[in-house]
Amino acid sequence: GAGVSQSPSNKVTEKGKDVELRCDPISGHTALYWYRQSLGQGLEFLIYFQGNSAPDKSGLPSDRFSAERTGGSVSTLTIQRTQQEDSAVYLCASSTPRDRGSIAKNIQYFGAGTRLSVL
Amino acid sequence: DQQVKQNSPSLSVQEGRISILNCDYTNSMFDYFLWYKKYPAEGPTFLISISSIKDKNEDGRFTVFLNKSAKHLSLHIVPSQPGDSAVYFCAAASGGGADGLTFGKGTHLIIQP
Repeated sequence: GAGVSQSPSNKVTEKGKDVELRCDPISGHTALYWYRQSLGQGLEFLIYFQGNSAPDKSGLPSDRFSAERTGGSVSTLTIQRTQQEDSAVYLCASSTPRDRGSIAKNIQYFGAGTRLSVL
Repeated sequence: DQQVKQNSPSLSVQEGRISILNCDYTNSMFDYFLWYKKYPAEGPTFLISISSIKDKNEDGRFTVFLNKSAKHLSLHIVPSQPGDSAVYFCAAASGGGADGLTFGKGTHLIIQP
């Protein structure tokens, strides 16, 4: 497709269950980002991939959160043993790479998100 | 510890007038700033950006101003149109924006007819 695609669009789960969220970036975009937006909050950075590697995992809130990207394309964000505070909209974005240290445009294009509700 | 702050949760402006959305930041390492617009049930869409080597960037009805000494930026929309009603997020990055963005909490702009 033309844009960033995320699935599912909505996910309701029970506390303690594991969930997997999927992101399909724009074709040709090598950089991929995961954010989450809790109710009334701004977007919180979770993790960033350049190709298949994740140079920056600093935003993952706990070891229950993990993400992988294979083939330089699709990424999955996994939350194990979900808790009620994990309820949020999880957003994925992709961009084309720019040289780090150069002041240049790096526009991140976002998907519509996955709304996760943990009961 | 919020590094990007949008102190106005909402703003109401009459159609045709100027909308001014404000954003403050605390991290001196930020060198690239962006504004995103978000409609309900959609992802944020890029609006306009500015690098720290500039103090103004203009794109049609949208202008972003950056005051580095005050660590403040603003987005001006003129004239405001009904379709501009949305939540606007200010975002910042260091290293030219190659890493994750730091977002403010957003300002809900309402354009009144």
